[in-house]
Amino acid sequence: QSALTQPPSVSGSPGQSVTISCTGTSSDVGNYNRVSWYQQPPSTAPKLMIYEVSNRPSGVPDRFSGSKSGNTASLTISGLQAEDEADYYCSSYTSSSTWVFGGGTKLTVL
Amino acid sequence: QVQLQESGPGLVKPSETLSLTCAVSGVSFTSSSWNWIRRPPGKALEWIGYIYDSGSTHYNPSLRSRVTISVDTSKNQFSLKLSSVTAADTAVYYCARKGAYNYGFDYWGQGTLVTVSS
Repeated sequence: QSALTQPPSVSGSPGQSVTISCTGTSSDVGNYNRVSWYQQPPSTAPKLMIYEVSNRPSGVPDRFSGSKSGNTASLTISGLQAEDEADYYCSSYTSSSTWVFGGGTKLTVL
Repeated sequence: QVQLQESGPGLVKPSETLSLTCAVSGVSFTSSSWNWIRRPPGKALEWIGYIYDSGSTHYNPSLRSRVTISVDTSKNQFSLKLSSVTAADTAVYYCARKGAYNYGFDYWGQGTLVTVSS
């Protein structure tokens, strides 16, 4: 299985919005609404931000939202804050009953 | 509250077997899958495999020939063995739970660095 494709980096100023894309195939992202997103600051364990494409766990701000179209899922962060600076990863369940992660995107808050 | 804690040697010699254990507290083993995930230095997260309380497993195809995940429900823990390691297996290893009723890794251990070096 190949890693999902994410842009290596994105950036935005405080208060702005950014969107991170995650492209897979019809065997993973395109076939299941089982895409999740994780935030990982340096030297910290990943934190679940979005599950099943667009659902937020309790405690995650509503500035974080997810969507999907075809084989591409997206994470949008609105009202950027300095504390949002981190690496972000998407993940998808696959038709082989396995999981695959994206290559990760480094978000820089300017 | 739910807690996951990895333990095991931080240094493993090339060609030997890496062994880690994840102790789980605050939640039942049933209705969830228990996963191992790693992040090599400067690289992305990589899913290694998962196990159910029944013992059923699924592994990353790229690691399948070297990976074994087992579970001990009496001790509320599950384990990872990765054989024939090389420097490419140097990584922070995380254990994580896939949510009981949703598709996402909702609880993670803090991670443990394993270095492969002679």
